Amino acid sequence: ELKVEQNPLFLSMQEGKNYTIYCNYSTTSDRLYWYRQDPGKSLESLFVLLSNGAVKQEGRLMASLDTKARLSTLHITAAVHDLSATYFCAVHGSSNTGKLIFGQGTTLQVKP
Amino acid sequence: SQTIHQWPATLVQPVGSPLSLECTVEGTSNPNLYWYRQAAGRGLQLLFYSVGIGQISSEVPQNLSASRPQDRQFILSSKKLLLSDSGFYLCAWTEQETQYFGPGTRLLVL
Repeated sequence: ELKVEQNPLFLSMQEGKNYTIYCNYSTTSDRLYWYRQDPGKSLESLFVLLSNGAVKQEGRLMASLDTKARLSTLHITAAVHDLSATYFCAVHGSSNTGKLIFGQGTTLQVKP
Repeated sequence: SQTIHQWPATLVQPVGSPLSLECTVEGTSNPNLYWYRQAAGRGLQLLFYSVGIGQISSEVPQNLSASRPQDRQFILSSKKLLLSDSGFYLCAWTEQETQYFGPGTRLLVL
């Protein structure tokens, strides 16, 4: 059974600091997703990582994928308050159906 | 461009009452469609997915069911709601390599 684990589950940080969220998964998968969820809202797609060594960046967020280690990271550079949200990683449970298996989510709180 | 609609946006229902949530996708044909549930403060759990009209696969045994009467319509139903059915229900579809989520329906069962 495919399992996805994120850590930390909660992160409180000061503005301007850097930090990394980790996402480990238990079996091979052909793609990994990162989503952002604001309180009371739906999920917003941030990144789709399709191959080993893939790196994508958008603003202060950078995601990478190591399929051999079954590990993805979401790195936050010089955090700002607007990045406060819950971040989920998700892995393809089946390439035929596209169903996703989600991690527990990491709630990020950026303090001024 | 593709858009996804869900209604209602919020719903408060008594235990034992029926349920019908609707999801409609525009601007695409024959999409893979998904129903997820998010309990308060938790991650997402896949409930059902559909790769075509009338084709439904269930991921979690429970008192919910799903139907796909039209290509771009996906319905989540229950005959009798339980307290544990409370949550945030999200419909999703896949376009190219990304899975997109609708605005969601927040259900509270009392």
